[in-house]
Amino acid sequence: EVQLVESGGGLVQPGGSLRLSCAASGFTFSDHYMEWVRQAPGKGLEWVGLTRNKANSYTTEYAASVKGRFTISRDDSKNSLYLQMNSLETEDTAVYYCAGRRTVGTGFDYWGQGTLVTVSS
Amino acid sequence: DIQLTQSPSFLSASVGDRLTITCRASQGISSYLTWYQQKAGKAPKLLINRASTLQSGVPSRFSGSGSGTEFTLTISSLQPEDFATYYCQQVNSYPLTFGPGTKVDIK
Repeated sequence: EVQLVESGGGLVQPGGSLRLSCAASGFTFSDHYMEWVRQAPGKGLEWVGLTRNKANSYTTEYAASVKGRFTISRDDSKNSLYLQMNSLETEDTAVYYCAGRRTVGTGFDYWGQGTLVTVSS
Repeated sequence: DIQLTQSPSFLSASVGDRLTITCRASQGISSYLTWYQQKAGKAPKLLINRASTLQSGVPSRFSGSGSGTEFTLTISSLQPEDFATYYCQQVNSYPLTFGPGTKVDIK
């Protein structure tokens, strides 16, 4: 059974930092592109960024809204994905989902249950 | 960036109804369009890839069509478990973008 389990969410003050983790199981993690998607309360889905697989040199892409503040990384030996979030703003308050896909040009086959990040003073 | 619009944004329907949701892209994306279903408090679920390829396990009442800039998701006979919000997503180029969603509610 495929599982993606996010952790690390919580309450943080504006300007603060937080690191999210996503533990994967049930599929060949190292083959997959891994993504982060967020959803602000009552709002739609927003793609945050991705890390490609080893075959594509683990390169990353980011949404403009987080570029320079967020960093995506992965550890294939631990089947884990990470999102380091710095200089957090109130607008970053959202449920953060990790997701995975095997094939470029397709949607996200696997999703975690999400972890809530609240940025507030 | 490629912008996606969806219409309608809200739809009230009855069990057994046929529904069509439209997604339009601000520029051509070939068939690199994905549809998701999201129920309240849950993660999105992938329904359709490459505009028209039904994911394994998704009921055949769901279908997708289109290419270029205009796409449709059709539910041939709405079932109680289909009341949800539906999102399109372009996977043609970065940044990947989602449509604003279409909420399907019970009439």
